[in-house]
Amino acid sequence: GESVGLHLPTLSVQEGDNSIINCAYSNSASDYFIWYKQESGKGPQFIIDIRSNMDKRQGQRVTVLLNKTVKHLSLQIAATQPGDSAVYFCAETPSGGYNKLIFGAGTRLAVHP
Amino acid sequence: NAGVMQNPRHLVRRRGQEARLRCSPMKGHSHVYWYRQLPEEGLKFMVYLQKENIIDESGMPKERFSAEFPKEGPSILRIQQVVRGDSAAYFCASSPETISGSNEQYFGPGTRLTVT
Repeated sequence: GESVGLHLPTLSVQEGDNSIINCAYSNSASDYFIWYKQESGKGPQFIIDIRSNMDKRQGQRVTVLLNKTVKHLSLQIAATQPGDSAVYFCAETPSGGYNKLIFGAGTRLAVHP
Repeated sequence: NAGVMQNPRHLVRRRGQEARLRCSPMKGHSHVYWYRQLPEEGLKFMVYLQKENIIDESGMPKERFSAEFPKEGPSILRIQQVVRGDSAAYFCASSPETISGSNEQYFGPGTRLTVT
């Protein structure tokens, strides 16, 4: 069945370092991917998205890389700050199904001063 | 520009009671989605609605759960005869008319349901 999973459940980094959060997906037909950030007690917050016809997209301090060959997605955060501490989820939309998002289990990012 | 609004933020119900969760989408958004999140887990899709229509309810339990998005007013997720296993955070998201290649959904703060 369809699934989106993450390699690392937790990630600890030093303030100022770069962070890389990884995600594997199993549905090769998925054509749209999103990264969300969720802080404790809050709803998911959109970070960045990417379509399957792209392999890289950059935002402010964040970059998403998509490798369709190995069905892998990553989120890179440059110069990680304490405010980046949260749980990060990748999500996919099945091809042609611009409705439900399928979420992975999440990676907790802890930024230490 | 107000974001997605959900109320109540916290809801406590005893087993057997009914829970009603409300969601007002962002202004101009006509698509609403409900998700459920258990502690330390990802969000699970429940249902996708447009005004007066249920488009995809493949994630909804077959019994006790229902959802609506009337022509006027908020979307409602209704859980009848709640059980302890229904305790979770319920998130609503909204999106504008879907554009090819995009499914950006904006999430509300969630309703945390506790069944005692």
